[in-house]
Amino acid sequence: AQSVTQLGSHVSVSEGALVLLRCNYSSSVPPYLFWYVQYPNQGLQLLLKYTSAATLVKGINGFEAEFKKSETSFHLTKPSAHMSDAAEYFCAPRPLNSGNTPLVFGKGTRLSVIA
Amino acid sequence: DTGVSQDPRHKITKRGQNVTFRCDPISEHNRLYWYRQTLGQGPEFLTYFQNEAQLEKSRLLSDRFSAERPKGSFSTLEIQRTEQGDSAMYLCASSPVEAAYEQYFGPGTRLTVT
Repeated sequence: AQSVTQLGSHVSVSEGALVLLRCNYSSSVPPYLFWYVQYPNQGLQLLLKYTSAATLVKGINGFEAEFKKSETSFHLTKPSAHMSDAAEYFCAPRPLNSGNTPLVFGKGTRLSVIA
Repeated sequence: DTGVSQDPRHKITKRGQNVTFRCDPISEHNRLYWYRQTLGQGPEFLTYFQNEAQLEKSRLLSDRFSAERPKGSFSTLEIQRTEQGDSAMYLCASSPVEAAYEQYFGPGTRLTVT
C-alpha cells in the first residue's frame, strides 16, 4: 500500500529563513504526490502536486517541491518563511493506476514561524 | 466559486445521540469524499461517491456510520449512537472526474461527544 513518512511532527523556523518539510514515500512505482496545507480551524488546501511531468514542482505561496526517485522523496521548500506560513502541512501519495482516489495522508508537520 | 461548504461547523452532542452532517461540494464536481481527522493526525479516508453511487467505504466506517448522496449533489454523513471515540473533525472534499486526484476540501465539522 502507498504510504508516506513525514519526518518531524513539528518544525520551527525564523521569519525569512528557509523552510524544509520532509516527505518520503514507500513504493516501488513512484506515485502521484501532493502537498496540502491546513490553516487553523480550516480544511485542507492543495499546495502543489507531482504527476510525473517536471520533477521540480512550483506551488502556491512561494512553495516548491522536488521529486527525487533515487531518494524516494518529495520534500517541500520555501526560500523565505513568512508568518502566514504557520500551519499544518500534509504529504499524500496516490497510486498512478488507481481507479479509486482516496488520498492517504501522512501524519503532518506543524510549521511554526518565529518573528 | 463558493467552494465546498459543510454544515454545521461545530457540533457538541451527548454520547448515544445521533448526529448528521451535510456537505455541499463544488457544483460541477461529481466526486465527493468524506474524511475523519483526529488531533495530531492526518485525515483518514471514510468513503467516497461518484455522483449518487457510493463506490468505496473504509473499514473505519463502522455500522453506526452511514453516508448518502441522493441526487448526486450534496451529501450527508450520519453517525448513530455516538461514542466519545467519534470526536473528530469530519472533512468533506470534492473533485472533478477529469482530475480526480485533485481534491478540494471544505472547512470541516468538528464533532465533540461528551
